[in-house]
Amino acid sequence: EVQLVESGGGLVQPGRSMKLSCAASGFTFSNYGMAWVRQAPTKGLEWVATISYDGSSTYYRDSVKGRFTISRDNAKSTLYLQMNSLRSEDTATYYCTRARGRGYFDYWGQGVMVTVSS
Amino acid sequence: DVVLTQSPATLSVTPGERISLSCRASESVDTYLHWYQQKPNESPRLLIKYASQSISGIPSRFSGSGSGTDFTLSINGVELEDLSIYYCQQGNSLLTFGSGTKLEIK
Repeated sequence: EVQLVESGGGLVQPGRSMKLSCAASGFTFSNYGMAWVRQAPTKGLEWVATISYDGSSTYYRDSVKGRFTISRDNAKSTLYLQMNSLRSEDTATYYCTRARGRGYFDYWGQGVMVTVSS
Repeated sequence: DVVLTQSPATLSVTPGERISLSCRASESVDTYLHWYQQKPNESPRLLIKYASQSISGIPSRFSGSGSGTDFTLSINGVELEDLSIYYCQQGNSLLTFGSGTKLEIK
């Protein structure tokens, strides 16, 4: 059974940093691209970043470029999202997802809440 | 960025009805259009990939159609458990989601 378990969320002040982790199991992690998708409270879904199966390619939405970094450790089957210079508009539930083919997400974690507030 | 417009925003239905939800793209996305269901307080789950391809484990009452800019998600015989928000998402260029259609059961 595929499982994606996020951790590392919480309350953080504007301008500070936070790192999310996603522990994957139930599939060969190193064979798949992975992505983060977020959802602000009562809002819709928003793609954040994608990383290729080997970490050689990364893609970001414009609003997080230069502030967020997606990375992975295939030996640990773990996906990361380093978030710097956080803004109030980054407040959301962040979902770890498995990315397939032409940009669809076939498995989702339970999500982790990030609140950016003073 | 490709903008996806979903309609209606909210749909009230009677169990057993056949319904169609619309997703329109601001430019062609070929068939790189996918559908998700998000039940209250749950994570989204993939329903349909590449506009019309079914997903293992998803009930057969869900189907998708369309190509280019106009897409439809159909539910043939709505059930109470289908109370959800449905999102379309395109993978032709930088990934974007529609704003969702909320399905309410009468």
